[in-house]
Amino acid sequence: SQTIHQWPATLVQPVGSPLSLECTVEGTSNPNLYWYRQAAGRGLQLLFYSVGIGQISSEVPQNLSASRPQDRQFILSSKKLLLSDSGFYLCAWSTSGGRETQYFGPGTRLLVL
Amino acid sequence: GDSVTQMEGPVTLSEEAFLTINCTYTATGYPSLFWYVQYPGEGLQLLLKATKADDKGSNKGFEATYRKETTSFHLEKGSVQVSDSAVYFCALRVIKSGGSNYKLTFGKGTLLTVNP
Repeated sequence: SQTIHQWPATLVQPVGSPLSLECTVEGTSNPNLYWYRQAAGRGLQLLFYSVGIGQISSEVPQNLSASRPQDRQFILSSKKLLLSDSGFYLCAWSTSGGRETQYFGPGTRLLVL
Repeated sequence: GDSVTQMEGPVTLSEEAFLTINCTYTATGYPSLFWYVQYPGEGLQLLLKATKADDKGSNKGFEATYRKETTSFHLEKGSVQVSDSAVYFCALRVIKSGGSNYKLTFGKGTLLTVNP
């Protein structure tokens, strides 16, 4: 069966510091991968998606970037965090093609102070 | 653009009460509709889905029917339990030719608390 992991689970970072969040998927090959952010009192917003290694699409302009160095690894990064980057970050995967259900990881709670 | 509107929470019920969480949508194409649930401190789990008009999704006693005429996908459960306490998200996805087929558009979520 497929599983999706995210780490760290919780992170507290000062403004201006860098960020690296990691997501890995097991039990499947060539998945579509997604990063979502859930800000307090708001729904989920798609940040990035990837259909293959090195292929990243951005949905909204922001202070963040994403990379996919391996087939089942998806990384969310920032060079300098802003207060507004605080939130709950969720990684998700689906089988390739885009028509299938997206399955979410446990999430990373980021607090920027 | 595509959007999802859910009833504002929080919703507080007693155990065994009937639950309805309203969800309506606007979409530029023919969407698939989803309900996700987020238990405290966890990520999202797919609860149920429907991919065409009049389909009924069901799981764990929850049901929702895809109503194209009213653009709605209301979530219902006949008898809630304390363990159903969570945040519920309605979402849609529209398959678009030549564009992003991957984006899930979510509502803001509805917090449900069930008291014993």
